[in-house]
Parts: sequence; C-alpha cells; structure tokens
Amino acid sequence: QVQLQQWGAGLVKPSETLSLTCAVYGGSLSNYYWSWIRRPPGKGLEWLGDINYTGATNDNPSLKSRVTISLDTSKNQFSLRLSSVTAADTAVYYCARGRGDTGMDVWGPGTTVTVSS
Amino acid sequence: SYELTQPPSVSVSPGQTARITCSGDALPKQYAYWYQQKPAQAPVLVIYKDTERPSGIPDRFSGSTSGTAVTLIITGVQAEDEADYFCQSADTSGTYRRLFGGGTKLTVL
Repeated sequence: QVQLQQWGAGLVKPSETLSLTCAVYGGSLSNYYWSWIRRPPGKGLEWLGDINYTGATNDNPSLKSRVTISLDTSKNQFSLRLSSVTAADTAVYYCARGRGDTGMDVWGPGTTVTVSS
Repeated sequence: SYELTQPPSVSVSPGQTARITCSGDALPKQYAYWYQQKPAQAPVLVIYKDTERPSGIPDRFSGSTSGTAVTLIITGVQAEDEADYFCQSADTSGTYRRLFGGGTKLTVL
C-alpha cells in the first residue's frame, strides 16, 4: 500500500519561497507522475504542476513560472517550491500520485500553509 | 481560457439519486476524473476515465458521458456521501495542464 507523507513550513512570509516535500513509502517513483494540488480556504482545488519519473515537468501557467517541482530518486521524494508568495497562496497543499489515464489515486494528508508577516 | 463548469451545490434526500454534471468543450477528447473531498480530509478518486470505478469505491458511484458533459451519479445516496465533488480533466490546447472544475457541494437532506 503506497503512502505519501508530506512536510514543510506552515508559515511563510510574503515575497519569500514556500517549500514542501513529499515522500513516497511502499512504492517506486517509476511509471507515475507526481503532482501538487492546493485548496485555498473557501475555494476549490487548484492543480499546481507535476513531474514524471524521468524528471519532465508541467506547471500551471496561471502561476506565472513561480512553481518549481523536482524529484530526488535517491530518497524517493519530490518537492515543490513556490516563489514570491502572497496571501493568495495561503492554502492546504496536497501531493498526489497519478498514472496515465487512471487519475490521481493516492494523496498525501495535506499541509496547511499560511502566508503572513 | 478553458474551464470546467460544475453547479455549486446539489441537494438530495437519503436513498435518492444524485447527479453532478461537469461541462467542458474538450471533454469529448479528454478523460474526466471525479474526486470526493470531505472536510479536513484529502481528496479521494471515485471515478476515472469518465466511467471507471477504482477498487474500494462503492458501486453506487458511477459516471456517464454525453457530448461536452460528464456526470457523476450516486445511486441510493447515503449520509456519508455528503462532501465536495470535483471533476478534473486536461487542457492540451496550448501548454499541457490539468484542471479542476469549481466543485459541487453535495448536501444530503
């Protein structure tokens, strides 16, 4: 049973960089894509981007290149960096596993990130 | 830009059938997925590839598709089905991106 465990700073100052990491337990990074999704308070889910096991990435154009997603195969982890944060980036952030046409079938528990000085 | 449109809310009584629609011009060409999210919990995939149900998801959950819309159908709704439901698909018209619909709050009366 694959499980995702995620962690990172819960409070980030405006204009700084948000950093989160997601570790994959009980499975391999191979043959999947690995996503970051967030849910701001009172709003819906927003896809931020993903990376596949070869390191190829896609990210949400609406975030204007503020997103960086990376893979560490030696640690079976992937990470998110979101630069120049504002209060609008306050949200619960989730990592998730996806594969081909089968959707995102395993999710991390979520990390609450607040942007405030 | 391309969007997926869902009704903000749907209400049904226990035992009835709930239908939640998701509209998008590219849905005839791209698969849709449905996620259930309860308060303070991570989303759960309930339908993939428009109509397929992952193992462990009750068979009262099903999906259908017609033209530029997909529908999540919950037959014999139970109180525990009260949640937010999000459709998700992909936009390949420019730079590839995944996107979610705005979400539908299902209330079990």
